[in-house]
Amino acid sequence: GDSVTQMEGPVTLSEEAFLTINCTYTATGYPSLFWYVQYPGEGLQLLLKATKADDKGSNKGFEATYRKETTSFHLEKGSVQVSDSAVYFCALFTGRDDKIIFGKGTRLHILP
Amino acid sequence: NAGVMQNPRHLVRRRGQEARLRCSPMKGHSHVYWYRQLPEEGLKFMVYLQKENIIDESGMPKERFSAEFPKEGPSILRIQQVVRGDSAAYFCASSLSASDNEQFFGPGTRLTVL
Repeated sequence: GDSVTQMEGPVTLSEEAFLTINCTYTATGYPSLFWYVQYPGEGLQLLLKATKADDKGSNKGFEATYRKETTSFHLEKGSVQVSDSAVYFCALFTGRDDKIIFGKGTRLHILP
Repeated sequence: NAGVMQNPRHLVRRRGQEARLRCSPMKGHSHVYWYRQLPEEGLKFMVYLQKENIIDESGMPKERFSAEFPKEGPSILRIQQVVRGDSAAYFCASSLSASDNEQFFGPGTRLTVL
């Protein structure tokens, strides 16, 4: 079945470090891919998305490129801030049914 | 322009009681989705509703859980005779249409069963 696998956390980085959170997916067809962010005590916010192969989603300095050949959608940021500390979820939507399928989430801690 | 609203934000129940979680979708959205987030897990789909109809309940436990989205008022997720394993964060999302790949999430209700 359709699924999302992302790197386990927690990931701890110093401020201004480069961030990569790996995400790979399994799905038939051409799903839309998302990264959601969950700040402490809050709900999910859509961070970025890509709807077709080679699309790059970007927002707030974060980027992810839809790579169909490697079935990946890795999240990157060149210089993280303390305020980026949160849990990040990779997700997909196939359109064949109604549900978004989420990875387990990666907790990110940024140290000042 | 209010987003998806959920209440209560925190709910404490004793084993055997009932829990009612409410969700008001974004203005103009008639599609509502409920997801459950267990501790240290991602979100898992539970049910998808349109006004007065359950479209897909493939993620709902077979017993004790029910959902509705009446013609007027919020969507309700109801858990009867709660058990400790029901403790989780329950998130509601809404979308403009069934094929819309963007679902907007509410802040969630954190249910604690004592």
